[in-house]
Amino acid sequence: DTGVSQDPRHKITKRGQNVTFRCDPISEHNRLYWYRQTLGQGPEFLTYFQNEAQLEKSRLLSDRFSAERPKGSFSTLEIQRTEQGDSAMYLCASSLPGLVNEQYFGPGTRLTVT
Amino acid sequence: DQQVKQNSPSLSVQEGRISILNCDYTNSMFDYFLWYKKYPAEGPTFLISISSIKDKNEDGRFTVFLNKSAKHLSLHIVPSQPGDSAVYFCADHGSSNTGKLIFGQGTTLQVKP
Repeated sequence: DTGVSQDPRHKITKRGQNVTFRCDPISEHNRLYWYRQTLGQGPEFLTYFQNEAQLEKSRLLSDRFSAERPKGSFSTLEIQRTEQGDSAMYLCASSLPGLVNEQYFGPGTRLTVT
Repeated sequence: DQQVKQNSPSLSVQEGRISILNCDYTNSMFDYFLWYKKYPAEGPTFLISISSIKDKNEDGRFTVFLNKSAKHLSLHIVPSQPGDSAVYFCADHGSSNTGKLIFGQGTTLQVKP
């Protein structure tokens, strides 16, 4: 078990550019989550997949954000036309089915928009 | 709205003493809570959880207490060790379907040798 991995670990981009992050969950986990964490705050839920189906998106998630999990394995999160306010740590987590199973987090991708 | 609040941004304790981290919540759907620990440059790692059928759950040096009437939970670490220095988040389940987590703001614990 290699845990949840995320790539890249760091991304610096200029405002207006598009960025894409990748998350590889633990292999037997069919649930996958994306969170965003800004300085001094806890992780904030963005979206959730069960297998390849995206079942929930945060109301706070801008239309510039899109996520996919095409084969129910890895997932990508794309941010179009980045803004400075998008600068944050983007965390991916996975879990087994069931409400109360704990989520396992990856190390995150730190995005800096200049 | 469902909310989780950790009102103490930081806590400093001496090695060997007890650390007590607090968390308050509102409008919990399931009264099932988790504590996560986060070191710099790493993702949060699960520490301990508690469900509404219990008021206490213990795992080694870590104990979580739940007071449903006060809508309050606390994490006790005893004895505290320098390696416990990290940011601690409490979290509530925010959905009946997805298991998404709602996190507090976190408390930075520093354990001094």
